Amino acid sequence: AQSVTQPDIHITVSEGASLELRCNYSYGATPYLFWYVQSPGQGLQLLLKYFSGDTLVQGIKGFEAEFKRSQSSFNLRKPSVHWSDAAEYFCAVGAGNNDMRFGAGTRLTVKP
Amino acid sequence: DGGITQSPKYLFRKEGQNVTLSCEQNLNHDAMYWYRQDPGQGLRLIYYSQIVNDFQKGDIAEGYSVSREKKESFPLTVTSAQKNPTAFYLCASSIGTSPLHFGNGTRLTVT
Repeated sequence: AQSVTQPDIHITVSEGASLELRCNYSYGATPYLFWYVQSPGQGLQLLLKYFSGDTLVQGIKGFEAEFKRSQSSFNLRKPSVHWSDAAEYFCAVGAGNNDMRFGAGTRLTVKP
Repeated sequence: DGGITQSPKYLFRKEGQNVTLSCEQNLNHDAMYWYRQDPGQGLRLIYYSQIVNDFQKGDIAEGYSVSREKKESFPLTVTSAQKNPTAFYLCASSIGTSPLHFGNGTRLTVT
């Protein structure tokens, strides 16, 4: 069965520090891969997506993610975190929109 | 600007009452979805609809019902049969293979 694991429930980083959020998945074939961000009490906003091609994808707000087939991972990175990046981040995988599986989320806290 | 409107933002109901959550989109998207979000869990799909007058059960459809009479609207009814209805409910839409576009959610509290 397909599944998504985000191993880190909560991460704290200092403003200006680099960030990496982990995402591992289990899927029968190469799925579509997504990262979303959610501010408290809000909906989810798409940060980036991977369908095929270059395994390093760039997204909005300075985020990037790298698809590693051998590790079944799609980790999200940002070189320098801003206080406004504090939010919850969700990794999602699926073959189509009615087949999406979301991870449990990683809450990011940014220290001044 | 196009988007998805979910109303109300907060909803309170007594146990045993049915309640309907509204979701309207003006994006001209064909497909619409309802998800449930609980603390510490990812989103779980309740129902989805790919065209008007047709909808399919998701992973956790029990205790919920939907209708899709118009392309723009996909209301969700939480019935008294839903054992744990208190949650954050998110509506989304998409067209073709585009990623999901989400509304801002409705927080339902049942006491």
